[in-house]
Amino acid sequence: EPEVTQTPSHQVTQMGQEVILRCVPISNHLYFYWYRQILGQKVEFLVSFYNNEISEKSEIFDDQFSVERPDGSNFTLKIRSTKLEDSAMYFCASSVEPGTNEQFFGPGTRLTVL
Amino acid sequence: GEDVEQSLFLSVREGDSSVINCTYTDSSSTYLYWYKQEPGAGLQLLTYIFSNMDMKQDQRLTVLLNKKDKHLSLRIADTQTGDSAIYFCAENGNTGFQKLVFGTGTRLLVSP
Repeated sequence: EPEVTQTPSHQVTQMGQEVILRCVPISNHLYFYWYRQILGQKVEFLVSFYNNEISEKSEIFDDQFSVERPDGSNFTLKIRSTKLEDSAMYFCASSVEPGTNEQFFGPGTRLTVL
Repeated sequence: GEDVEQSLFLSVREGDSSVINCTYTDSSSTYLYWYKQEPGAGLQLLTYIFSNMDMKQDQRLTVLLNKKDKHLSLRIADTQTGDSAIYFCAENGNTGFQKLVFGTGTRLLVSP
């Protein structure tokens, strides 16, 4: 069964460093998303991406964040200069169409900023 | 703004039915979803319901939607220990590209 994959599973970084979180969405999906879940809090939407551009973003997704689909399979989230409060689990998701919007999630990357 | 609320914890015995409740505020939601998260794993889509439906059944899962009260529930029949997990309710707004807004999650503990 096709699934969304994410790498790495755990990333530890120093405050101020750049990190890139990687995702491989399901191959025939067209819509891509990033969410995050700070420990003990709700899963929060960050950004959606379609047709090689951002279609919607939340207030959390400020200038420190960027997304890219560098090739036909990968979808990345870059945090330019990490802060302590960026420590969270980051989930990638994809969907084939926005109709029923069945979003399929990856296992997540746990980001720890020291 | 959009908000989704759930009770935090539910404990049942194996074989009983579990009912997990959710309330939401965005009346423009077109779909509502239930996701399951097992320890250390991602979010697994269990089922979803279109907003013009009252009920949807899928094997052991029954989703009830009361659109007037903005109340959604997930009933799991014959709950098994493998059903122990966190269950998230989510709704999409009517925002076009349809971000999901998640509830706090309900931790279901099933004891033998």
